[in-house]
Amino acid sequence: KAGVTQTPRYLIKTRGQQVTLSCSPISGHRSVSWYQQTPGQGLQFLFEYFSETQRNKGNFPGRFSGRQFSNSRSEMNVSTLELGDSALYLCASSFLVVGGAGDEQFFGPGTRLTVL
Amino acid sequence: GNSVTQMEGPVTLSEEAFLTINCTYTATGYPSLFWYVQYPGEGLQLLLKATKADDKGSNKGFEATYRKETTSFHLEKGSVQVSDSAVYFCALSAGANSKLTFGKGITLSVRP
Repeated sequence: KAGVTQTPRYLIKTRGQQVTLSCSPISGHRSVSWYQQTPGQGLQFLFEYFSETQRNKGNFPGRFSGRQFSNSRSEMNVSTLELGDSALYLCASSFLVVGGAGDEQFFGPGTRLTVL
Repeated sequence: GNSVTQMEGPVTLSEEAFLTINCTYTATGYPSLFWYVQYPGEGLQLLLKATKADDKGSNKGFEATYRKETTSFHLEKGSVQVSDSAVYFCALSAGANSKLTFGKGITLSVRP
């Protein structure tokens, strides 16, 4: 089975621009979560989607948004980029049978975003 | 809210040394606990997990036991290898959602 794929792997943008990152989950997985990883803040939860609906959201400003398509693929968008948005953005998918807790999440390799 | 505290790093060991990485947590209810590992330039891989008190997760020689009385999930390995050099994250999920709360991670370097 193919793993979680994320595109692009690397991205360089300038302040004020917007960016869209894509994530394709493992086949059969309907839950997709996004995390931001930075040296200072570590790994922080952005949001989770299940069956095209946002199930959970972290403490990030409204500039960060996401969506999920009917094939479970997900995108996240960051508008009006700031220098502090430079990070590794990780996507994770899971099968999600019994309500979430305990379900293993499989992570993609991440998209490295650099904001200049 | 939920939180995970890991011991400060980095940790440097010689090959075949014993490894312990401490992890404690705060959570409401009965969380599931995880250890993830991140190799350079890669995403996170699940190393092991435990879903209820006294469960022991194990994989690739690593072990961790879910201790509810001490709210801990310490990672151990009897004999580390150079290939174990990576960043290790302790994490939990709680309630009816998949959201993972991570510790800050600790870098392990193993010398030949």
